[in-house]
Amino acid sequence: GAGVSQSPRYKVAKRGQDVALRCDPISGHVSLFWYQQALGQGPEFLTYFQNEAQLDKSGLPSDRFFAERPEGSVSTLKIQRTQQEDSAVYLCASSLTSGTLYGYTFGSGTRLTVV
Amino acid sequence: AQTVTQSQPEMSVQEAETVTLSCTYDTSESNYYLFWYKQPPSRQMILVIRQEAYKQQNATENRFSVNFQKAAKSFSLKISDSQLGDTAMYFCAFTQGGSEKLVFGKGTKLTVNP
Repeated sequence: GAGVSQSPRYKVAKRGQDVALRCDPISGHVSLFWYQQALGQGPEFLTYFQNEAQLDKSGLPSDRFFAERPEGSVSTLKIQRTQQEDSAVYLCASSLTSGTLYGYTFGSGTRLTVV
Repeated sequence: AQTVTQSQPEMSVQEAETVTLSCTYDTSESNYYLFWYKQPPSRQMILVIRQEAYKQQNATENRFSVNFQKAAKSFSLKISDSQLGDTAMYFCAFTQGGSEKLVFGKGTKLTVNP
């Protein structure tokens, strides 16, 4: 596609519910990133894939957070047993190979509200 | 720890004037990359300008330029001839050489007034 597509754009979840957020990167982009942006803050790194391999998951805040990219294209970020502190915008970005050299393209994010 | 500090939570400027947004960062590495991103209400992060730390020359992109002071670990963004469409959140960020992880500041909300 022409850009990074994320769905849904908005998600309201009841506390304790599981959610799945989808990211469709630019076709051919090898690298894919997830960031969490709390209200009034800058984005914080969650995890990074190169093709289907998850190379860095150091930013995932707890074992309730899980990300996958099984075929090296679409990625899903899953949050189990959502808590109020999980409310944030979840941004996905992709890059041809190296983001520092070729640039990162961001999606418009999914705003998750846990009530 | 790697950190990015943006000391101005909000700024405003009149249309056609010039504004400078401040950013300082902390890293022990010598090889890194610095970025300014713009985030309009649509939420999509848009790259404004990029600087490699090993380059002494300040990067410029049309009306946008940076003042990169490596010794002071400072990376300010200057916007000339401000336009209404420049109204957005601006985030300073960096990656270290060998890492793909972007570290962001908390952002500066810029409003351009007509």
